[in-house]
Amino acid sequence: NAGVTQTPKFRILKIGQSMTLQCTQDMNHNYMYWYRQDPGMGLKLIYYSVGAGITDKGEVPNGYNVSRSTTEDFPLRLELAAPSQTSVYFCASRLAGGNTGELFFGEGSRLTVL
Amino acid sequence: GQNIDQPTEMTATEGAIVQINCTYQTSGFNGLFWYQQHAGEAPTFLSYNVLDGLEEKGRFSSFLSRSKGYSYLLLKELQMKDSASYLCAVRSPSGNTPLVFGKGTRLSVIA
Repeated sequence: NAGVTQTPKFRILKIGQSMTLQCTQDMNHNYMYWYRQDPGMGLKLIYYSVGAGITDKGEVPNGYNVSRSTTEDFPLRLELAAPSQTSVYFCASRLAGGNTGELFFGEGSRLTVL
Repeated sequence: GQNIDQPTEMTATEGAIVQINCTYQTSGFNGLFWYQQHAGEAPTFLSYNVLDGLEEKGRFSSFLSRSKGYSYLLLKELQMKDSASYLCAVRSPSGNTPLVFGKGTRLSVIA
């Protein structure tokens, strides 16, 4: 049981480049989330999804896009990378109606935009 | 909206007890979570409180007062491996709504 898997773990981008951060979970969780974490800061929500075909903006969605075509996958797309997007990105999932609703996190993707 | 406050840093001695406080102002409430995050790693779930009172889980306990918008995480018999950031997070009444996280408290355990 792999849990939540994110790829890549590290990436360096040039300003203006595009890339997709991949996230997949094998726990059949309905809800999936993308957070970013800057040094000394908490987790800020970028986008989330409550099920396949449904996505919604979080607190900091500008510069990002998501899709949710399957229950398992929730990729995050950066279209025109900017230095402000240098951060650690965490994908998380949880089961709808679970006992505590705890989030299960991937290991993170560390992105640097130069 | 939701505002969550917790101290930025704390230091405590190995073997001691430490209390990490979290206050929140929210438009609604449906549970408070504590997560532990070691440097360079993902957060991991520690505790969940939805009703007032104390939840105990081994060396860790979490307390909630909904009327005061207040929670604390109590760590007993501190070990060096407890050096980490501790994140307080709140969920609003809608079951679909994602967690909102505080900035975290970085705890250093010293010998």
